[in-house]
Amino acid sequence: AQTVTQSQPEMSVQEAETVTLSCTYDTSESDYYLFWYKQPPSRQMILVIRQEAYKQQNATENRFSVNFQKAAKSFSLKISDSQLGDAAMYFCAYRSVKMDSNYQLIWGAGTKLIIKP
Amino acid sequence: DGGITQSPKYLFRKEGQNVTLSCEQNLNHDAMYWYRQDPGQGLRLIYYSQIVNDFQKGDIAEGYSVSREKKESFPLTVTSAQKNPTAFYLCASSKRGARETQYFGPGTRLLVL
Repeated sequence: AQTVTQSQPEMSVQEAETVTLSCTYDTSESDYYLFWYKQPPSRQMILVIRQEAYKQQNATENRFSVNFQKAAKSFSLKISDSQLGDAAMYFCAYRSVKMDSNYQLIWGAGTKLIIKP
Repeated sequence: DGGITQSPKYLFRKEGQNVTLSCEQNLNHDAMYWYRQDPGQGLRLIYYSQIVNDFQKGDIAEGYSVSREKKESFPLTVTSAQKNPTAFYLCASSKRGARETQYFGPGTRLLVL
């Protein structure tokens, strides 16, 4: 079974600086998807970025980018020019593309990101 | 406005009572999901449905039931058999298929009186 591990329960960063959140996962599959979701205090789960395992190029979305290391099974999220609105819980998630997985998301425990003004 | 709505935002349950959480989407998505979130943990899948009139159990289905009579709606009932129902419940939907992204509603907080 697949597992997702986020080893940093909490991280803090000064506003306008860069922070990297870590995620590792375990799988025997070669094709899958990885996601970063953000959960602000409102608790709505918001998609930040997604990565397809068969694509070597790292995904980027404005100030958010990932460092996807497939062999190392590592999927870190870099937030550049941190803003106060980035303060939230960040969750890493894995999804198989196999039909018998029912495409469910496997979640890490989350990292709380604090932005210092 | 396209999106996923969940109601109520807060729900209180008495001992022995069944309660139903609503989830509606107007995104024309075939697949819908129910997740449970406990403090300090990631989400866990309760039930999912890939098509109308069909649904399957997830990892923690015991004490819960669902129906999928309409494409837009996927209500979750927390039965009296669920002994520890206090949690945050999130509904999600997606297009059908392996490569589609799930999008989430705002959630319902369930508390036991």
